Amino acid sequence: GENVEQHPSTLSVQEGDSAVIKCTYSDSASNYFPWYKQELGKRPQLIIDIRSNVGEKKDQRIAVTLNKTAKHFSLHITETQPEDSAVYFCAASGGFKTIFGAGTRPFVKA
Amino acid sequence: DAGVTQSPTHLIKTRGQHVTLRCSPISGHKSVSWYQQVLGQGPQFIFQYYEKEERGRGNFPDRFSARQFPNYSSELNVNALLLGDSALYLCASSLGTSSGANVLTFGAGSRLTVL
Repeated sequence: GENVEQHPSTLSVQEGDSAVIKCTYSDSASNYFPWYKQELGKRPQLIIDIRSNVGEKKDQRIAVTLNKTAKHFSLHITETQPEDSAVYFCAASGGFKTIFGAGTRPFVKA
Repeated sequence: DAGVTQSPTHLIKTRGQHVTLRCSPISGHKSVSWYQQVLGQGPQFIFQYYEKEERGRGNFPDRFSARQFPNYSSELNVNALLLGDSALYLCASSLGTSSGANVLTFGAGSRLTVL
């Protein structure tokens, strides 16, 4: 079945440094790749997404890259800040099904 | 405009009981998806409904069922509850187009505890 693998599960980052989260997917039919941020006790919120006809997308301090041939995509956070501490989920969607990764929790050290 | 609303927010059940969770999508959204999120894990796909029809099903037993009503709201039913069903159940609504750009907006979830 469809599967999305996400690495790392935890990430220690010095405030001001960059963080990278990587995901791979198995379903070749996937053509939409959103990233969600979930703060403790809150609902997942969409932070950025990318469609299969685009290789890279940037929004302020976050950017996503997609390599459809290799079936992997990544989230890049620059100039990390304490408020970036949450759980980040990647997901892959094809048609009506969206499959999520297991999540990455970055710890931003002051 | 209200976002995705779910009820109840919290509930406690005992093993063997059944539960019904409810979700109202964003106005104009025709698709509802259900996810189970166990503490410390990612949301696991259970069902997606579009225009009252099941369009996708995850790897969950037949104890899990759902339906979507003419007003696009949805119910998730779980029978014969097990301890392992304890989780946050998230509902997400989307426009429901089949283009693949299925942008999900989540509700706050229903936290189920099975004792």
